[in-house]
Parts: sequence; structure tokens; C-alpha cells
Amino acid sequence: AQSVTQLGSHVSVSEGALVLLRCNYSSSVPPYLFWYVQYPNQGLQLLLKYTTGATLVKGINGFEAEFKKSETSFHLTKPSAHMSDAAEYFCAVSDHNYGQNFVFGPGTRLSVLP
Amino acid sequence: DAGVIQSPRHEVTEMGQEVTLRCKPISGHNSLFWYRQTMMRGLELLIYFNNNVPIDDSGMPEDRFSAKMPNASFSTLKIQPSEPRDSAVYFCASSLESSYNEQFFGPGTRLTVL
Repeated sequence: AQSVTQLGSHVSVSEGALVLLRCNYSSSVPPYLFWYVQYPNQGLQLLLKYTTGATLVKGINGFEAEFKKSETSFHLTKPSAHMSDAAEYFCAVSDHNYGQNFVFGPGTRLSVLP
Repeated sequence: DAGVIQSPRHEVTEMGQEVTLRCKPISGHNSLFWYRQTMMRGLELLIYFNNNVPIDDSGMPEDRFSAKMPNASFSTLKIQPSEPRDSAVYFCASSLESSYNEQFFGPGTRLTVL
């Protein structure tokens, strides 16, 4: 069965500092991996996804993530945090054995300090 | 594109009342998902449809919950009778059929059952 863990339910960084949000998954087959962002009182918005090909994936708002099969990880990074990055971030996994059923991680709340 | 449309955005009702949440998916998408989000349980998949047919309803908490998709452009999630523990934000999402296609989320319906 698929599962997703996100280390740290709450991460705080200073404005301009590196953002690193961790995601590890379990899947019996090569997975498809997604990062979503949720701003307060809004729905989830796709940041980026990995399906096949290049393992370093670039997304919107300067975020990127790297798929590391050996570590079963898909960590999200951004070189320099902005105040507007404060939000909840969700990692999700799917694979063709489970149809379109996404499994979402528990989420990580990112705070950006001035 | 208008995106996924949900109504109402907010609903306050009393215990025992029937509640109906509505969703219009993105035109052309053939898969639709209903999620529930709470602080305690995070984001939970309730049910998903493919080509208007329910594929997986294992996440529906109990018989008080029912979902329909009478056509490709409309779905409802009904709770009857509602209970205070049903208070949550309910999201609808749609996608093109495939496990590697991202889901597009609506803005959600915040339900409060008194």
C-alpha cells in the first residue's frame, strides 16, 4: 500500500533563508509524486509533479523537488523564502496500481519570519 | 477556465438537518473526487468517480453520507442527518483520467454543524 510521511508538521524559516520540506513515500511500483500548497481558506494548488524523466522537477514560485528513488524521498526546496510562501504544503503519491487514488501526507505548515 | 466550482462556500446548519454540497468539475475532466479536511484527521478521500461512476467509496464514513454524479458536469455530496462531528472543510477536485495527472481542487465548502 502507498503511504506518505512528511517530517515536521511545522517548519519556521527566516525570510531569505532556504526552505526544505521533507517527504518520504512508500510504493510498490515507481510512483508519481506531487507537491501541493494550500493558502489559508483556499483549496490546494499544484506546485510541481514528478512522473517520469528528469528527477529534479521545477515548479511554480521558485520551488523545486528532487525524486530520489534510493531514499524514497521527494523533498521540496526553495533557495530563498518569501513572506508569501507561508502556507500548508502537502506531498502526495499515486501509482497505476491504485488508479487515480492519491495518498496525501499529513502536511507541513511553513511559517516565514521577517 | 473557471476551475472547479463548489457551492455553497460556507454552510451552517443544526444537528439532524440534511446538508447538500455541490461541485462542478472542470469541463473535459472525467474524474471527480470528494475530500474532507479537518485538523485532527487531515485530508481524507471520501469517494471518487470516473466517467460519472463511483469507483472507490471506501472513505465514506457511514451511511449518512452519500454522493452522486448524475452527469459529467455536476456532483453532490449529501449528509443526512448531519452531526457536529461532520464539521469540516469539504473539497471537490477533478482531473483527467490517469494516475499521473494532477487533481485540480475547488475552493472548498466550510461546513459547521451546531
